[in-house]
Amino acid sequence: SQTIHQWPATLVQPVGSPLSLECTVEGTSNPNLYWYRQAAGRGLQLLFYSVGIGQISSEVPQNLSASRPQDRQFILSSKKLLLSDSGFYLCAWSDPAGSSYKSPLHFGNGTRLTVT
Amino acid sequence: GNSVTQMEGPVTLSEEAFLTINCTYTATGYPSLFWYVQYPGEGLQLLLKATKADDKGSNKGFEATYRKETTSFHLEKGSVQVSDSAVYFCALKAGAQKLVFGQGTRLTINP
Repeated sequence: SQTIHQWPATLVQPVGSPLSLECTVEGTSNPNLYWYRQAAGRGLQLLFYSVGIGQISSEVPQNLSASRPQDRQFILSSKKLLLSDSGFYLCAWSDPAGSSYKSPLHFGNGTRLTVT
Repeated sequence: GNSVTQMEGPVTLSEEAFLTINCTYTATGYPSLFWYVQYPGEGLQLLLKATKADDKGSNKGFEATYRKETTSFHLEKGSVQVSDSAVYFCALKAGAQKLVFGQGTRLTINP
């Protein structure tokens, strides 16, 4: 069966410091991969998605970037964190096979980032 | 563009009450519709889905029917439990790879 791992679970970082959040998926090949952010008390905002190695689509201009160095690895980064980067970051994958609009997203347990 | 609107929360009910969380959508084409649940401090779990008009998704006593004529996908449960307390998200996927979420509805069930 497929599993998704996200780490760390919790992170406290000072303003101006770098960020690297990692997500890996097991049990599937060539998944679509996603990074979402959930600000406190608000809905989910899609940040990036990827349909293959090195292929990244950015949804919102911001202080963050994403990379996909391997088929089942997705990394969210920042060179200098801002206070507004605080939130709950969720990685997700979906099965690209078949009719893509029917495939649900499967989420990791998230990383709670606090920028101080 | 595509969008999802959920009823405003929070919703507070007593155990064994009937639950309805309204969800309506706007989309081009024929989207798939989903309900996700988020328990405190956790990620999102897929609760149920429907991929075409008149489909009924169901899981753990929850149900939702894809109504194309009213562009709705309301979540219902006949008798809620304290363990159902969570945030519920309605979402759609229309052709592209992206999932569009509603704003979420916080549900609290009191014993």
